[in-house]
Amino acid sequence: DIVMTQSPLSLPVTPGEPASISCRSSQSLLHRSGHNFLEWYLQKPGKSPQLLILLGSNRAAGVPDRFSGSGSGTDFTLEISRVEAEDVGVYYCMQGLQSFRTFGQGTKLEIK
Amino acid sequence: QVQLQESGPGLVKPSETLSLTCTVSGGSVSGYYWSWIRQPPGKGLEWIAYIHYTGSTNYNPSLKSRVTISIDTSKNQFSLKLNSVTAADTAVYYCARHENHRSGTYPLDCWGQGTLVTVSS
Repeated sequence: DIVMTQSPLSLPVTPGEPASISCRSSQSLLHRSGHNFLEWYLQKPGKSPQLLILLGSNRAAGVPDRFSGSGSGTDFTLEISRVEAEDVGVYYCMQGLQSFRTFGQGTKLEIK
Repeated sequence: QVQLQESGPGLVKPSETLSLTCTVSGGSVSGYYWSWIRQPPGKGLEWIAYIHYTGSTNYNPSLKSRVTISIDTSKNQFSLKLNSVTAADTAVYYCARHENHRSGTYPLDCWGQGTLVTVSS
Protein backbone atom coordinates (compact mmCIF):
# COMPACT_ATOMS: atom_id res chain seq x y z
CA ASP A 1 0.00 0.00 0.00
CA ILE A 2 1.14 3.55 -0.69
CA VAL A 3 0.69 5.67 2.42
CA MET A 4 -0.10 9.35 1.83
CA THR A 5 0.79 11.85 4.55
CA GLN A 6 -0.40 15.45 4.51
CA SER A 7 0.67 18.45 6.54
CA PRO A 8 -0.55 20.54 8.14
CA LEU A 9 -3.87 18.99 9.07
CA SER A 10 -5.33 22.39 9.91
CA LEU A 11 -4.56 25.60 8.06
CA PRO A 12 -6.02 28.97 9.12
CA VAL A 13 -5.43 31.59 6.44
CA THR A 14 -6.22 35.28 6.08
CA PRO A 15 -8.06 36.12 2.84
CA GLY A 16 -5.67 37.35 0.20
CA GLU A 17 -2.73 35.54 1.75
CA PRO A 18 -1.06 32.46 0.23
CA ALA A 19 -1.48 28.91 1.49
CA SER A 20 0.56 25.76 1.05
CA ILE A 21 -0.20 22.10 1.75
CA SER A 22 2.33 19.30 1.67
CA CYS A 23 1.70 15.70 0.63
CA ARG A 24 4.25 12.93 0.91
CA SER A 25 3.92 9.40 -0.41
CA SER A 26 5.63 6.30 0.96
CA GLN A 27 6.65 5.32 -2.59
CA SER A 28 7.51 7.30 -5.67
CA LEU A 29 4.48 8.27 -7.74
CA LEU A 30 6.56 8.77 -10.87
CA HIS A 31 5.05 6.63 -13.64
CA ARG A 32 7.12 5.20 -16.49
CA SER A 33 5.41 7.79 -18.71
CA GLY A 34 7.32 10.50 -16.87
CA HIS A 35 4.22 11.83 -15.14
CA ASN A 36 3.54 11.83 -11.42
CA PHE A 37 0.22 10.13 -10.66
CA LEU A 38 -0.79 12.46 -7.83
CA GLU A 39 -4.13 14.22 -7.57
CA TRP A 40 -5.53 16.93 -5.32
CA TYR A 41 -9.20 17.17 -4.37
CA LEU A 42 -11.17 19.80 -2.47
CA GLN A 43 -14.20 18.91 -0.42
CA LYS A 44 -16.16 22.05 0.34
CA PRO A 45 -18.41 21.96 3.43
CA GLY A 46 -21.38 19.66 2.88
CA LYS A 47 -20.32 18.84 -0.69
CA SER A 48 -18.74 16.01 -2.62
CA PRO A 49 -15.01 16.18 -3.35
CA GLN A 50 -14.00 17.87 -6.60
CA LEU A 51 -10.87 17.34 -8.66
CA LEU A 52 -8.42 20.26 -8.55
CA ILE A 53 -5.10 18.94 -9.81
CA LEU A 54 -4.02 15.83 -11.74
CA LEU A 55 -0.57 14.59 -12.69
CA GLY A 56 0.83 16.56 -9.77
CA SER A 57 0.62 19.93 -11.49
CA ASN A 58 -2.15 20.03 -14.12
CA ARG A 59 -5.22 22.01 -13.14
CA ALA A 60 -8.53 20.30 -13.86
CA ALA A 61 -11.02 22.04 -16.12
CA GLY A 62 -12.48 25.17 -14.57
CA VAL A 63 -10.05 25.35 -11.64
CA PRO A 64 -8.86 28.94 -11.01
CA ASP A 65 -5.21 29.66 -11.75
CA ARG A 66 -4.58 30.69 -8.14
CA PHE A 67 -4.32 26.94 -7.50
CA SER A 68 -1.05 25.28 -8.46
CA GLY A 69 0.53 21.91 -7.84
CA SER A 70 4.19 21.00 -7.83
CA GLY A 71 6.57 18.25 -6.81
CA SER A 72 7.80 14.91 -8.03
CA GLY A 73 8.52 11.44 -6.75
CA THR A 74 7.39 11.40 -3.14
CA ASP A 75 7.03 15.10 -2.24
CA PHE A 76 4.22 17.27 -3.52
CA THR A 77 2.78 20.67 -2.71
CA LEU A 78 -0.53 22.38 -3.38
CA GLU A 79 -0.34 26.16 -3.31
CA ILE A 80 -3.04 28.77 -3.36
CA SER A 81 -1.58 32.13 -4.34
CA ARG A 82 -4.28 34.28 -2.73
CA VAL A 83 -6.88 32.51 -0.61
CA GLU A 84 -10.50 33.45 -1.11
CA ALA A 85 -13.45 32.70 1.17
CA GLU A 86 -14.76 30.09 -1.28
CA ASP A 87 -11.58 28.04 -0.88
CA VAL A 88 -12.54 26.79 2.59
CA GLY A 89 -12.89 23.06 2.95
CA VAL A 90 -10.76 19.95 3.26
CA TYR A 91 -8.00 19.28 0.74
CA TYR A 92 -6.98 15.70 0.00
CA CYS A 93 -4.12 14.30 -2.00
CA MET A 94 -4.59 10.89 -3.61
CA GLN A 95 -2.19 8.61 -5.42
CA GLY A 96 -3.31 7.20 -8.75
CA LEU A 97 -0.29 5.01 -9.41
CA GLN A 98 -1.52 1.81 -7.80
CA SER A 99 -4.88 0.25 -8.50
CA PHE A 100 -5.50 0.40 -4.73
CA ARG A 101 -6.10 4.15 -4.44
CA THR A 102 -5.12 5.84 -1.19
CA PHE A 103 -5.85 9.32 0.15
CA GLY A 104 -4.03 11.59 2.54
CA GLN A 105 -5.71 12.39 5.86
CA GLY A 106 -6.96 15.73 4.60
CA THR A 107 -6.02 19.33 5.40
CA LYS A 108 -8.76 21.61 6.65
CA LEU A 109 -8.38 25.15 5.37
CA GLU A 110 -10.30 27.78 7.27
CA ILE A 111 -10.47 31.54 7.05
CA LYS A 112 -9.02 33.52 9.95
CA GLN B 1 -22.99 16.83 -18.43
CA VAL B 2 -22.57 13.52 -16.65
CA GLN B 3 -24.36 13.16 -13.33
CA LEU B 4 -24.12 10.36 -10.79
CA GLN B 5 -26.77 9.51 -8.22
CA GLU B 6 -26.40 7.04 -5.39
CA SER B 7 -29.45 5.17 -4.11
CA GLY B 8 -30.16 2.55 -1.48
CA PRO B 9 -31.29 2.08 2.12
CA GLY B 10 -30.10 4.67 4.60
CA LEU B 11 -30.27 2.25 7.50
CA VAL B 12 -28.81 -1.25 7.62
CA LYS B 13 -28.78 -3.64 10.57
CA PRO B 14 -25.51 -5.04 11.88
CA SER B 15 -24.40 -8.29 10.20
CA GLU B 16 -26.62 -7.59 7.18
CA THR B 17 -25.64 -6.52 3.66
CA LEU B 18 -25.35 -2.92 2.52
CA SER B 19 -26.47 -2.50 -1.10
CA LEU B 20 -26.09 0.68 -3.11
CA THR B 21 -26.59 1.58 -6.75
CA CYS B 22 -25.12 4.45 -8.72
CA THR B 23 -27.15 5.62 -11.70
CA VAL B 24 -25.29 7.51 -14.41
CA SER B 25 -27.15 10.08 -16.47
CA GLY B 26 -26.02 12.41 -19.24
CA GLY B 27 -23.42 9.90 -20.37
CA SER B 28 -22.64 6.21 -20.63
CA VAL B 29 -20.91 3.86 -18.22
CA SER B 30 -19.21 2.35 -21.26
CA GLY B 31 -15.62 3.34 -21.78
CA TYR B 32 -14.84 4.23 -18.18
CA TYR B 33 -13.73 2.99 -14.79
CA TRP B 34 -16.12 3.63 -11.87
CA SER B 35 -15.39 3.73 -8.16
CA TRP B 36 -17.03 3.67 -4.75
CA ILE B 37 -15.49 5.81 -2.00
CA ARG B 38 -16.74 6.27 1.55
CA GLN B 39 -16.33 8.81 4.34
CA PRO B 40 -17.21 8.04 7.97
CA PRO B 41 -18.80 11.00 9.77
CA GLY B 42 -16.17 13.64 10.48
CA LYS B 43 -13.38 11.57 8.94
CA GLY B 44 -11.43 11.30 5.70
CA LEU B 45 -11.98 9.53 2.40
CA GLU B 46 -11.50 5.79 1.90
CA TRP B 47 -11.48 4.21 -1.57
CA ILE B 48 -13.48 0.97 -1.63
CA ALA B 49 -13.35 -0.49 -5.14
CA TYR B 50 -13.50 0.20 -8.84
CA ILE B 51 -14.98 -1.55 -11.84
CA HIS B 52 -14.32 -1.15 -15.56
CA TYR B 53 -17.27 -1.20 -17.94
CA THR B 54 -15.89 -4.51 -19.22
CA GLY B 55 -16.33 -5.95 -15.72
CA SER B 56 -12.75 -6.01 -14.44
CA THR B 57 -12.53 -5.04 -10.79
CA ASN B 58 -10.13 -4.00 -8.06
CA TYR B 59 -10.78 -3.83 -4.32
CA ASN B 60 -9.37 -2.23 -1.20
CA PRO B 61 -7.53 -5.15 0.44
CA SER B 62 -8.97 -4.27 3.84
CA LEU B 63 -12.53 -4.67 2.52
CA LYS B 64 -12.03 -7.21 -0.25
CA SER B 65 -13.47 -10.17 1.65
CA ARG B 66 -16.79 -8.35 2.19
CA VAL B 67 -17.21 -6.26 -0.97
CA THR B 68 -18.64 -6.93 -4.40
CA ILE B 69 -18.86 -4.32 -7.14
CA SER B 70 -20.83 -4.94 -10.32
CA ILE B 71 -21.97 -3.07 -13.40
CA ASP B 72 -25.06 -3.17 -15.61
CA THR B 73 -24.34 -1.40 -18.88
CA SER B 74 -27.92 -1.88 -20.09
CA LYS B 75 -29.22 0.13 -17.13
CA ASN B 76 -26.25 2.53 -17.04
CA GLN B 77 -25.69 1.64 -13.42
CA PHE B 78 -23.07 0.12 -11.18
CA SER B 79 -23.53 -1.27 -7.69
CA LEU B 80 -21.86 -1.99 -4.39
CA LYS B 81 -22.56 -4.75 -1.91
CA LEU B 82 -20.85 -4.84 1.48
CA ASN B 83 -21.75 -7.77 3.68
CA SER B 84 -21.48 -8.43 7.41
CA VAL B 85 -21.65 -4.73 8.20
CA THR B 86 -20.86 -3.22 11.59
CA ALA B 87 -21.15 0.27 13.03
CA ALA B 88 -17.67 0.97 11.59
CA ASP B 89 -19.24 0.84 8.11
CA THR B 90 -21.44 3.84 8.88
CA ALA B 91 -20.41 6.46 6.34
CA VAL B 92 -21.37 8.64 3.42
CA TYR B 93 -20.87 6.50 0.33
CA TYR B 94 -19.89 8.22 -2.92
CA CYS B 95 -19.80 6.87 -6.44
CA ALA B 96 -17.41 8.49 -8.89
CA ARG B 97 -16.14 8.28 -12.46
CA HIS B 98 -12.51 7.93 -13.49
CA GLU B 99 -11.59 10.22 -16.34
CA ASN B 100 -9.71 8.62 -19.24
CA HIS B 101 -6.79 11.02 -19.38
CA ARG B 102 -4.48 10.87 -22.39
CA SER B 103 -1.47 10.52 -20.09
CA GLY B 104 -2.71 7.15 -18.83
CA THR B 105 -3.92 8.37 -15.46
CA TYR B 106 -7.50 8.04 -14.26
CA PRO B 107 -8.47 10.84 -11.87
CA LEU B 108 -11.89 10.99 -10.25
CA ASP B 109 -13.46 13.75 -12.30
CA CYS B 110 -17.13 13.34 -11.50
CA TRP B 111 -18.73 12.45 -8.15
CA GLY B 112 -22.21 11.71 -6.92
CA GLN B 113 -23.66 13.75 -4.07
CA GLY B 114 -23.16 10.90 -1.62
CA THR B 115 -25.58 8.92 0.49
CA LEU B 116 -25.38 8.36 4.23
CA VAL B 117 -25.68 4.77 5.32
CA THR B 118 -26.07 4.13 9.03
CA VAL B 119 -25.49 0.70 10.50
CA SER B 120 -27.64 0.29 13.57
CA SER B 121 -30.16 -2.10 15.04
